[in-house]
Amino acid sequence: QKEVEQNSGPLSVPEGAIASLNCTYSDRGSQSFFWYRQYSGKSPELIMSIYSNGDKEDGRFTAQLNKASQYVSLLIRDSQPSDSATYLCAVNRGAGGTSYGKLTFGQGTILTVHP
Amino acid sequence: GAVVSQHPSWVICKSGTSVKIECRSLDFQATTMFWYRQFPKQSLMLMATSNEGSKATYEQGVEKDKFLINHASLTLSTLTVTSAHPEDSSFYICSATVSHEQYFGPGTRLTVT
Repeated sequence: QKEVEQNSGPLSVPEGAIASLNCTYSDRGSQSFFWYRQYSGKSPELIMSIYSNGDKEDGRFTAQLNKASQYVSLLIRDSQPSDSATYLCAVNRGAGGTSYGKLTFGQGTILTVHP
Repeated sequence: GAVVSQHPSWVICKSGTSVKIECRSLDFQATTMFWYRQFPKQSLMLMATSNEGSKATYEQGVEKDKFLINHASLTLSTLTVTSAHPEDSSFYICSATVSHEQYFGPGTRLTVT
């Protein structure tokens, strides 16, 4: 079993729709969870961070975390063509010190938003 | 927001030569930086943790003698790929932590011919 798994994709949604991206992780000691967006040929850009169970909203993005189910998701409302990218789920144990930088990434989900 | 820069953005070198990649934190001090590698159509994998004033720590399977890391100041970490081979061709990305969040540099695309 991979440490961090994302729904395989690719995911294609029409403009204006909701895109739903899912991620599961195996390490129950994980404490910090992140969603990154990566455009082709570019480095990852942080979209959302979430640390406690429940929902966290930021603009059109909502991250959801369920530690009991070891599941984290990202919803993108009113999807735009500019949202087309690879979305990476990343997890770390966040036990302090340098461990905050040690992220384990999922394989990524390619999202295409078509006009 | 936090800004991390890298130089060069891309480099082509011949097999057997060495290449140095710089990573700088532009508006903050980073006692620790991280080096990741991304092969085509794969996700990012952590290579090593760069510690200012001390030795780097490497992830399992990463050759420390091949990937030399120097963190000489609070704003600069360098990664030197020694005796590069075509299989070292990859996208190398550094990162730094700000408020428990990881910010990535723009990356360096290395092609070894």
